[in-house]
Amino acid sequence: DVVMTQTPVSLSVSLGGQTSISCRSSQSLVHSDGNTYLYWYLQKPGQSPQLLIYKVSNRFSGVPDRFSGSGSGTDFTLKISRVEPEDLGVYYCYQGTHYPYTFGAGTKLELK
Amino acid sequence: EVQLMETGGGLVQPGKSLKLTCATSGFTFSTAWMNWVRQSPEKGLEWIARIKPKSTNYATEYAESVKGRFTISRDDSKSSIYLQMNSLKEEDTATYYCMDGGYAYWGQGVMVTVSS
Repeated sequence: DVVMTQTPVSLSVSLGGQTSISCRSSQSLVHSDGNTYLYWYLQKPGQSPQLLIYKVSNRFSGVPDRFSGSGSGTDFTLKISRVEPEDLGVYYCYQGTHYPYTFGAGTKLELK
Repeated sequence: EVQLMETGGGLVQPGKSLKLTCATSGFTFSTAWMNWVRQSPEKGLEWIARIKPKSTNYATEYAESVKGRFTISRDDSKSSIYLQMNSLKEEDTATYYCMDGGYAYWGQGVMVTVSS
């Protein structure tokens, strides 16, 4: 199975600040169709995960441009700028390239 | 507006069965891939099953942890997918979510507790 390693496990950030989360996969996430099926989600307490970024760097509908995704192959990053209170929660990366699809263990974003 | 809603969870004894339903609306269900994902404190988020549309003869894939025990199916006339869970184990205790094939939309989740 593809192992998705997220770092750090937790992050402490000030409101208005900037931060980034790393996600590394144990094998390349480039699909045979040429796409890279790497996604980022935010799960707020008591809620389902909500999609932020799809296929590495595309912001989902309604997601503020404070969120950006980058990377390729096995190394991916989610950057959050101008952190707001509603950004707090647990962030997950997810790969939909290789069966079984797999998630990272999560990164908890907290206020400093 | 895309909506997904899971039902059918509850408390069940080890070795018993349970069937979950995910009713959807707001998108073209008949051509959509659909997934089941579960979440527990012990294992985190875990993808467990996927079903493709009729054009693929409803091809399915499963995680090893549920293969042979769980069955994903769909009813395009009802825009719904199902998860038949047999031979349940305590480690199947989790919140179960359905998720669309674009990985964008999730239901609110339904709790399944397997305990004697």
